[in-house]
Amino acid sequence: GESVGLHLPTLSVQEGDNSIINCAYSNSASDYFIWYKQESGKGPQFIIDIRSNMDKRQGQRVTVLLNKTVKHLSLQIAATQPGDSAVYFCAENLMDSSYKLIFGSGTRLLVRP
Amino acid sequence: NAGVTQTPKFQVLKTGQSMTLQCAQDMNHEYMSWYRQDPGMGLRLIHYSVGAGITDQGEVPNGYNVSRSTTEDFPLRLLSAAPSQTSVYFCASSSMRGAGETQYFGPGTRLLVL
Repeated sequence: GESVGLHLPTLSVQEGDNSIINCAYSNSASDYFIWYKQESGKGPQFIIDIRSNMDKRQGQRVTVLLNKTVKHLSLQIAATQPGDSAVYFCAENLMDSSYKLIFGSGTRLLVRP
Repeated sequence: NAGVTQTPKFQVLKTGQSMTLQCAQDMNHEYMSWYRQDPGMGLRLIHYSVGAGITDQGEVPNGYNVSRSTTEDFPLRLLSAAPSQTSVYFCASSSMRGAGETQYFGPGTRLLVL
């Protein structure tokens, strides 16, 4: 079936560097995408979202890029901090009235001091 | 607001036992859902509800029942627990104001079925 997936299961970066986490999706009907951060023992926490009519959206230290042509989504974290260490999930919202989210398998971000 | 609350935090069951995972939200959200998360994996949708009295199946509904008698509560029932249901369960809620509304997740219930 159609699904959302991630390219890299683990990403290790130096504190202060920028991080880029990638995600591929296969459902061209999806119109909304969300990035979540999940710390150990906690539920997913919303980071940033983007709708399919946008290519880029910026938040505080985070940027999400959407390339609908190749069905690719990325999360950029500027000046990565130790507190950014977590598992990051992308999720796509199917274009129907149920607001169901399909999650990718996640990428673990490790920040080296 | 307390947001989304879940009880219990941890539970150990024997195969064949039944139990109910509780979920409540105080944000007056119409949409609520249950996910399970297995080790090293993303969340998979079990059941969801778009309002009181309305429920539907997600990706992995077998072995689980739900009901939605009020806007606030959305319990998940395991009728006869199996080891394959060992997982972390997350409840989420969101507003129905428009397509793509973000979801807010509870802290999770860790379930071990022996």
